[in-house]
Amino acid sequence: NAGVTQTPKFQVLKTGQSMTLQCAQDMNHNSMYWYRQDPGMGLRLIYYSASEGTTDKGEVPNGYNVSRLNKREFSLRLESAAPSQTSVYFCASSERGSGNTIYFGEGSWLTVV
Amino acid sequence: AQKITQTQPGMFVQEKEAVTLDCTYDTSDPSYGLFWYKQPSSGEMIFLIYQGSYDQQNATEGRYSLNFQKARKSANLVISASQLGDSAMYFCAFLDSGGYQKVTFGIGTKLQVIP
Repeated sequence: NAGVTQTPKFQVLKTGQSMTLQCAQDMNHNSMYWYRQDPGMGLRLIYYSASEGTTDKGEVPNGYNVSRLNKREFSLRLESAAPSQTSVYFCASSERGSGNTIYFGEGSWLTVV
Repeated sequence: AQKITQTQPGMFVQEKEAVTLDCTYDTSDPSYGLFWYKQPSSGEMIFLIYQGSYDQQNATEGRYSLNFQKARKSANLVISASQLGDSAMYFCAFLDSGGYQKVTFGIGTKLQVIP
């Protein structure tokens, strides 16, 4: 059972570099999410996608872009990384009625130096 | 706007005792949901329990129960008979049940179970 798979698991970037975090789910869920987790801040919603072809800003979208490539995949892009984007990033997916559970990936540890 | 609030940064509980973790929310929508997740030191997010706004009874899952008080807009997690393995961060989350299925999390409560 793969569930939600996100890559890479660890990444170190230099300030100004760009990168894309990949996320894929195999549960045929419509809704997908990207969160960042920082100490004392909980999980903050960056972007979410209620269905293929739609994306919406969450609480902290600045500095990020997303693409819902298809129903399975939802990628998060940092165009010009900043030290403030050092964080743990979680991708998640859910489906209305499927036990009302949000399924999470294992997290991606990103350090911007 | 912040819709979910957890006011206890840290909690201690004696092993085998019960503990309540607080969560309040703010919404004017009649349809919504509330989750609790556990995050141990290993980092994964573990689903514990879900309560829908129209559910007539409080949700329960084993040693976990959700004390849902709709009028007070609170959804506290009760863990009975605490175990050492319950030591973790606990997050409450709010689901906008409208078409967008937006889910936002509180800042979490760190629970430590004392032997």
